[in-house]
Amino acid sequence: EVQVLESGGGLVQPGGSLRLSCAASGFTFSAEAMSWVRQAPGKGLEWVSSIGSRGSPIYYSDSVRGRFTISRDNSKNALYLQMNSLRAEDTAVYYCAQTRDYSFKNWGQGTLVTVSS
Amino acid sequence: QSALTQPASVSGSPGQSITISCTGTSSDIGSYNLVSWYQQHPGKAPKLMIYEVNKWPSGVANRFSGSKSGNTASLTISGLQAEDEADYYCCSYAGIRTYVFGTGTRVTVL
Repeated sequence: EVQVLESGGGLVQPGGSLRLSCAASGFTFSAEAMSWVRQAPGKGLEWVSSIGSRGSPIYYSDSVRGRFTISRDNSKNALYLQMNSLRAEDTAVYYCAQTRDYSFKNWGQGTLVTVSS
Repeated sequence: QSALTQPASVSGSPGQSITISCTGTSSDIGSYNLVSWYQQHPGKAPKLMIYEVNKWPSGVANRFSGSKSGNTASLTISGLQAEDEADYYCCSYAGIRTYVFGTGTRVTVL
C-alpha cells in the first residue's frame, strides 16, 4: 500500500524558516518524481515545486522561487522542503505527492504551516 | 501563471450526469494533452481521478470521464452518487515542468 506522510509544519513568524519532510513507502521512491502542492485555508490547490527521481531536474513556482528549496534522500525514502523568508501568504496545508505522467498520483494528508506574528 | 477557470459550483440529482469545465490558455491546456482532475472531500487530501485528459488511475470508477477541446477541458460525472459530493480541481502541465491548477468546483448532489 502506498503511503505518504508529511511532517514539520507549525507556527512560524514572518521572515522565519521551516523544513517540511515527507516519508514515502509502498512504491519504489527512487524511481518516482515527487512534488509539493499547497492549499491556503479555504482556497484552491497551488503547485509549489517538483523534483526528479534522482534529484534533478528541479522546478519551482514563481511564488516560491528563491525562498524554498526542494530536495530528497532516496536512501531514506524522504522528500524535503526547506522554506525560508516565510510570508503570511505562505500559510497553507502542504501536501507531498508522487508525481507521474504529469499528474499527482498519491498524496499525503498534509501538514499545516501558519506564518503569523 | 494564472489559475485555470472553473465554475464555482455545479449540482445535480442522483443518477444524473454533470459536466465541469476548466478553461485555460494556449500556453497550458491548449498546448498539452496533460490535464488531470482531482476530487477532494472536506478535510481530506485530493485524489487523482483522471490524468492525461481521459485516462483512469486504477481504482477510479469509469463514471468519471475527461475530455478536451482547444483551451478547455471537461470532467463528466455520470450516474451521480451521493459520495461524489466534493470539490473538484483540474490541473494542466504548463511547460518547463510547471503546473497550474483550476479554481475549483463544488459539486452538490441534490
